[in-house]
Amino acid sequence: QLLESGGGLVQPGGSLRLSCAASGFTLSGYAMSWVRQAPGKGLEWLSHITGSGGSTYYADSVKGRFTIFRDNSKNTVYLQMNSLRVEDTAVYYCAKVFSLGTFDYWGQGTLVTVSS
Amino acid sequence: QSVLTQPPSVSAAPGQKVTISCSGRSSNIGSNYVSWYQQLPGTAPKLLIYDNNKRPSGIPDRFSGSKSGTSATLGITGLQTGDGADYYCGTWDSSLSAGVFGGGTKLTVL
Repeated sequence: QLLESGGGLVQPGGSLRLSCAASGFTLSGYAMSWVRQAPGKGLEWLSHITGSGGSTYYADSVKGRFTIFRDNSKNTVYLQMNSLRVEDTAVYYCAKVFSLGTFDYWGQGTLVTVSS
Repeated sequence: QSVLTQPPSVSAAPGQKVTISCSGRSSNIGSNYVSWYQQLPGTAPKLLIYDNNKRPSGIPDRFSGSKSGTSATLGITGLQTGDGADYYCGTWDSSLSAGVFGGGTKLTVL
């Protein structure tokens, strides 16, 4: 099971850190991703981190503003979000990567609202 | 604008069959595995098909996937009212070094 936390209301230009904790399995052996869904919209892949944390990938829409990292000792993956924009408002999901571009387990999502 | 193209909506009657298409290019569908997800209202996406045509444990064989060139198709037979949901295709884009999804298809079971 994956459980996201850290969502909430933040002003434009602000920062937020999302967490994704795993229970029932060890995250360290698996790559992980973050995917978001704006209200009434489709899925948007955001970022990927390898099991060791040694390699990361980002969507152009968040590159330079968001950072994915992990603490395998805490069985947790994070998404640090800086310079937030109104258009970043969405439900953010963490997902376990089965293979590049395929996600076999998803968290329940956490809502991030960027508004003044 | 999504990298992968899906029809916005499809509909069919209970018991019938429906197909949902997903079109891409050589850098994504053409060179990587395709997966399909079902998202019921208010819930997280759920993996339906992986590696183009494989079903995870617990997914009924009413759901099937196929791929040809730069397009993929999800098929659902014996439609049930509970199949009404949004369906997304996804894959990796080797040129972008990024995951990509289709815009989603809303299935209505009439």
